[in-house]
Amino acid sequence: KAGVTQTPRYLIKTRGQQVTLSCSPISGHRSVSWYQQTPGQGLQFLFEYFSETQRNKGNFPGRFSGRQFSNSRSEMNVSTLELGDSALYLCASSLGGRGATLADTQYFGPGTRLTVL
Amino acid sequence: GDSVTQMEGPVTLSEEAFLTINCTYTATGYPSLFWYVQYPGEGLQLLLKATKADDKGSNKGFEATYRKETTSFHLEKGSVQVSDSAVYFCAFLSGSRLTFGEGTQLTVNP
Repeated sequence: KAGVTQTPRYLIKTRGQQVTLSCSPISGHRSVSWYQQTPGQGLQFLFEYFSETQRNKGNFPGRFSGRQFSNSRSEMNVSTLELGDSALYLCASSLGGRGATLADTQYFGPGTRLTVL
Repeated sequence: GDSVTQMEGPVTLSEEAFLTINCTYTATGYPSLFWYVQYPGEGLQLLLKATKADDKGSNKGFEATYRKETTSFHLEKGSVQVSDSAVYFCAFLSGSRLTFGEGTQLTVNP
C-alpha cells in the first residue's frame, strides 16, 4: 500500500506571496492532519480534516488554511508569506475513527520544505 | 496545558550500547502514546505505540511501556546500531491532535 505523498517536496517563495501544498493520504484513510516543523518551535499542529470538514485547528493565524476533497486528498494554503513561515510542512493521515483507538494512528509523509526569502 | 517533556539531547553512544530516552507527558485523561523517528531529510516514521496503561510497544528492538502512575513512556533499546542515528520524538494523541516533545538527537558511533 502506498504511503502518504506530499507535493512539491521543495518550494522557494518570496515574502508576500502565497503557496499551496498538497497531500495524498494512504488509501482508505479519511483523516488528514497538517503540522509545521521548525528548529525553534518544533512540531506544531496546524489543523485536521475528516470527511471534507475541518475537525480540529491549532493556534495559527488565519493566513494558514486548508481543505479536503471528496477523495480525502488535502491541500493547505499559506497567504501573504512571512520569513517565519519557512519550515518543513508535514502531512499525516489516519483512518479517522472516533475515540482513542488504533485507527487514530497517524502516518506521515516526507514533508514539503518551504523557504521564504 | 498539554505537553511532552523529553530527555535533552544530543545523545552520543557507541555501537551496541544501551539506549534510554526519557519521556513524560502532561495531558487530560489517558491518551495514546507514540514514538516517532526522523532521519535526515525525511518525514516522521512511526516507531512504536501504546494505547492504554501498562501496554508495551515494541519494534526493531525498541521498547516503551505506558506508565500511567508516572505519566511516562521511556524509549529503550538494548543494543544500538549506527543505523539508529536519527531524531526521536515522543508524542501523545488527544482527539485528532498529536502533541510532540522537542525531539532527541541520537548519534551512534561505530
